[in-house]
Amino acid sequence: GENVEQHPSTLSVQEGDSAVIKCTYSDSASNYFPWYKQELGKRPQLIIDIRSNVGEKKDQRIAVTLNKTAKHFSLHITETQPEDSAVYFCAARAMDSNYQLIWGAGTKLIIKP
Amino acid sequence: DSGVTQTPKHLITATGQRVTLRCSPRSGDLSVYWYQQSLDQGLQFLIQYYNGEERAKGNILERFSAQQFPDLHSELNLSSLELGDSALYFCASSAPGNNEQFFGPGTRLTVL
Repeated sequence: GENVEQHPSTLSVQEGDSAVIKCTYSDSASNYFPWYKQELGKRPQLIIDIRSNVGEKKDQRIAVTLNKTAKHFSLHITETQPEDSAVYFCAARAMDSNYQLIWGAGTKLIIKP
Repeated sequence: DSGVTQTPKHLITATGQRVTLRCSPRSGDLSVYWYQQSLDQGLQFLIQYYNGEERAKGNILERFSAQQFPDLHSELNLSSLELGDSALYFCASSAPGNNEQFFGPGTRLTVL
């Protein structure tokens, strides 16, 4: 079955700098890759996603890139702000998985003022 | 507000007891997913229902069970509770053919 690994587990960056979180997946049949943000004490919320027929997707300061050959995808946050501090989860979904997502372990992003 | 509701918000109980967590999905969503999140841990997928039927099972203990009712709300039953069951339990729902899962606010279970 699918396995998703996420790195790093904790990332500390200076406010204004960029942050990159990486995930690798094992099932080449996976075709959907979302990123969720979970602020302290709150529910996870989808912030961006990408399908396997696209290599990159941007939404203002956040972007996701996908390398199908290497089976990895990354979240890029530019011009980081204090409100970006949160735990970020990546996930992958295979075509025949009944829409079940396989989740990474999460990355705690700390934005230093 | 995601449109997914969960009750109760907090639950404190003793070891060996049984509790029921309730989830109401967003209007129109047929899929319900249950997750367990222990302190500072990731999201552990427990089980998925679609329109009343079990669709996928994750790392759900035999002491735990769930069901989805005809009105599409779902309940997660946890029995013979242990200290290690203390966690935040989320449910999420999604619409047919839609990838995005919308999470409820969670139920924080504390087992003393």
